[in-house]
Amino acid sequence: DTEVTQTPKHLVMGMTNKKSLKCEQHMGHRAMYWYKQKAKKPPELMFVYSYEKLSINESVPSRFSPECPNSSLLNLHLHALQPEDSALYLCASSQEGGANGNTIYFGEGSWLTVV
Amino acid sequence: GQQLNQSPQSMFIQEGEDVSMNCTSSSIFNTWLWYKQDPGEGPVLLIALYKAGELTSNGRLTAQFGITRKDSFLNISASIPSDVGIYFCAGRAPGNTPLVFGKGTRLSVIA
Repeated sequence: DTEVTQTPKHLVMGMTNKKSLKCEQHMGHRAMYWYKQKAKKPPELMFVYSYEKLSINESVPSRFSPECPNSSLLNLHLHALQPEDSALYLCASSQEGGANGNTIYFGEGSWLTVV
Repeated sequence: GQQLNQSPQSMFIQEGEDVSMNCTSSSIFNTWLWYKQDPGEGPVLLIALYKAGELTSNGRLTAQFGITRKDSFLNISASIPSDVGIYFCAGRAPGNTPLVFGKGTRLSVIA
């Protein structure tokens, strides 16, 4: 079982709604990630937090807003999304530093449908 | 940017057969990871490789980090129906660079 937990598992939202995806890890990792995955495609990196600070934003539209309240939690706030934003959103975490810091562990994902 | 070429794109095999898939990169990597993803689930880490030439097994799975640091392969022996899924390779170049994913190998096992 993955030690990265994501909620909700499924979310349907309208284009005017505001919702949030939540992620939690208890592995003591100091880096956390959001990925977006479309069907039959590999995960695409959106954001990276390192030691609770945003270190990478892969030119993600501002309708996606990440937040890292502490080293175990990562949120993704969603507002005014478009139907093409429908996808599987994956949270992941890793240690920082050393070879083991390169290994990323994924959660089970949150299926988002924008209607 | 860096690109990973993963092959084959898909495979149909008989239960009990061995499977081999590989990834090559245009530049050197210092980490290779292999994941399996079932429909509707997140990718699950199968094997992590950190050193050129490293050969690591996890049950019926074996993966190797190529000596040139530009390739890796994953073998599955004696396939079973639950091996069905999409297998992704991923690699990270030296420095603080993001993980790069291959496009995946879709494995189907015929009982």
